[in-house]
Amino acid sequence: ETGVTQTPRHLVMGMTNKKSLKCEQHLGHNAMYWYKQSAKKPLELMFVYSLEERVENNSVPSRFSPECPNSSHLFLHLHTLQPEDSALYLCASSQGRTPIGGTEAFFGQGTRLTVV
Amino acid sequence: DAKTTQPPSMDCAEGRAANLPCNHSTISGNEYVYWYRQIHSQGPQYIIHGLKNNETNEMASLIITEDRKSSTLILPHATLRDTAVYYCIVRMDSSYKLIFGSGTRLLVRP
Repeated sequence: ETGVTQTPRHLVMGMTNKKSLKCEQHLGHNAMYWYKQSAKKPLELMFVYSLEERVENNSVPSRFSPECPNSSHLFLHLHTLQPEDSALYLCASSQGRTPIGGTEAFFGQGTRLTVV
Repeated sequence: DAKTTQPPSMDCAEGRAANLPCNHSTISGNEYVYWYRQIHSQGPQYIIHGLKNNETNEMASLIITEDRKSSTLILPHATLRDTAVYYCIVRMDSSYKLIFGSGTRLLVRP
């Protein structure tokens, strides 16, 4: 248990569906992240939020829409996805930018998404 | 892009030390070296990080060369549960970005 909880753990959705992934952290962190991990590929950073403001958007297609209503919650809204979007979606949180000495990110267990 | 180079795979015997190397020849003065690991189908887990000096915690030791162009993660007594993909990452102290490469797949043999 890392203090970062993702739901659901598994999701199967059709290409015309709309669904949302949820991430919640109870660590008092002020930065949250979405990563995508496709089969046999490195983790790809998708979005970063700091103090509920998006500070990083790594050229992610608009069919992925993040939302950060407060510092404890992060959502990834999905619509009209493609089969190649099937992957493990990981949420992480950290205490903002690294202060002196650095700070680590804590990851959730991920949501395994399958688009059919 | 990831700024580190790691061997794709390694193995070691249970109970022995596992030494995982990482090259980061273009590291700059304000970049830290971080190590994470990912056990199959789980989220990555933080292990250790350092800037210049060697570091040790309850999980591992991190040895950084004097020129900071490479480092080694040491698991002193590897167990079967240490089988995972190990990622070496360099990260600027003012950056949010944690960019993962392909990592090293460590197999601990019984």
